Amino acid sequence: QKEVEQNSGPLSVPEGAIASLNCTYSDRGSQSFFWYRQYSGKSPELIMSIYSNGDKEDGRFTAQLNKASQYVSLLIRDSQPSDSATYLCAVNEANPWGNSNYQLIWGAGTKLIIKP
Amino acid sequence: EAQVTQNPRYLITVTGKKLTVTCSQNMNHEYMSWYRQDPGLGLRQIYYSMNVEVTDKGDVPEGYKVSRKEKRNFPLILESPSPNQTSLYFCASSSPRTYEQYFGPGTRLTVT
Repeated sequence: QKEVEQNSGPLSVPEGAIASLNCTYSDRGSQSFFWYRQYSGKSPELIMSIYSNGDKEDGRFTAQLNKASQYVSLLIRDSQPSDSATYLCAVNEANPWGNSNYQLIWGAGTKLIIKP
Repeated sequence: EAQVTQNPRYLITVTGKKLTVTCSQNMNHEYMSWYRQDPGLGLRQIYYSMNVEVTDKGDVPEGYKVSRKEKRNFPLILESPSPNQTSLYFCASSSPRTYEQYFGPGTRLTVT
């Protein structure tokens, strides 16, 4: 059973601090990794994609990938109350030949609360 | 504007009354998918489609049907809805190069 695991939270972070969200995955063949933000009752919104080991920065967001440890994280700098949401980690499934396919394996999400 | 649209956004219906939730994307994506989301259960895939006339079951297909007659549309059909299908439904399509999935706004369905 291929899995993506996230701490369900809630993770409470003071406004202006760094929020760190973590995700581990079981499928060693996965090649594409995604972070989505979901506000209550709304649809998931893609905020970061990462495909190679290391860091990828986009504004206040940094995604970090370590394929050897099967670990991907999301850092949010200068956290704002508007960042309060559930963050979903998704990893694409590898097919039996080791290639990527469209199917994503979803984590259950981490609820992040930014306290003013 | 590139987008995935769903209709209706909200629907209250009664047990056994057939309904269809429409999904359309304007990004020329081949892959489309339906999910349901329930409190504490995360996103669960119902059906997906790799291309026109190619559909396959996801994790929770029971009680649902889909069709893919055109690339842009992927309707979800509930032939005989039951209260356990009360949920928030999302349609998504995926970029062929990046595998990024883009979601519609969601349909909140209540079956009484």
